[in-house]
Amino acid sequence: DVKVTQSSRYLVKRTGEKVFLECVQDMDHENMFWYRQDPGLGLRLIYFSYDVKMKEKGDIPEGYSVSREKKERFSLILESASTNQTSMYLCASSSPGQMNTEAFFGQGTRLTVV
Amino acid sequence: DAKTTQPNSMESNEEEPVHLPCNHSTISGTDYIHWYRQLPSQGPEYVIHGLTSNVNNRMASLAIAEDRKSSTLILHRATLRDAAVYYCILRDFDTGGFKTIFGAGTRLFVKA
Repeated sequence: DVKVTQSSRYLVKRTGEKVFLECVQDMDHENMFWYRQDPGLGLRLIYFSYDVKMKEKGDIPEGYSVSREKKERFSLILESASTNQTSMYLCASSSPGQMNTEAFFGQGTRLTVV
Repeated sequence: DAKTTQPNSMESNEEEPVHLPCNHSTISGTDYIHWYRQLPSQGPEYVIHGLTSNVNNRMASLAIAEDRKSSTLILHRATLRDAAVYYCILRDFDTGGFKTIFGAGTRLFVKA
């Protein structure tokens, strides 16, 4: 079974902390994505990556950074967590280059910043 | 980026067909139409996709209008397990990569 695994289902952090959200996929996909999901807003793209060490900003990159040192791992970093970053975070991966390929999602990490 | 418009919610009876509409009037010629759904407490999962022709798979059918400005996801016999949020998404061809744009989706309620 194909799998996208996020390191934590639930996370509680304090304001100002540096937070790492990890995502690993076992499908040898080039493309990986980070989204956040908030009630009434749907999924919003934060960052994506088409290859190792490559990254591109999505629709809402402010306050976030990413790291892609290995093909299978894509990390989302909150440099200084704030309460407005409390959200559900979803990681996804897909095959490269084709618009007709599906994306596979992880189970999500529910982050609460207090 | 191209946008999609879906109803906020729909309701269906179990064992009956469900037609979930999506408008995408700004679709470009190279955009594919994808549908995903999200069950409670899970990440989204792929349902179906198409370009111009209608498509069928084991989960659903996708009917695409001739002008491609709208599409309809068809669940032939809704079950309680189909209660989810359904997202209609266009693959926006920018740099040749894959970028999925999700709106608010349609929440489907299925009554027993």
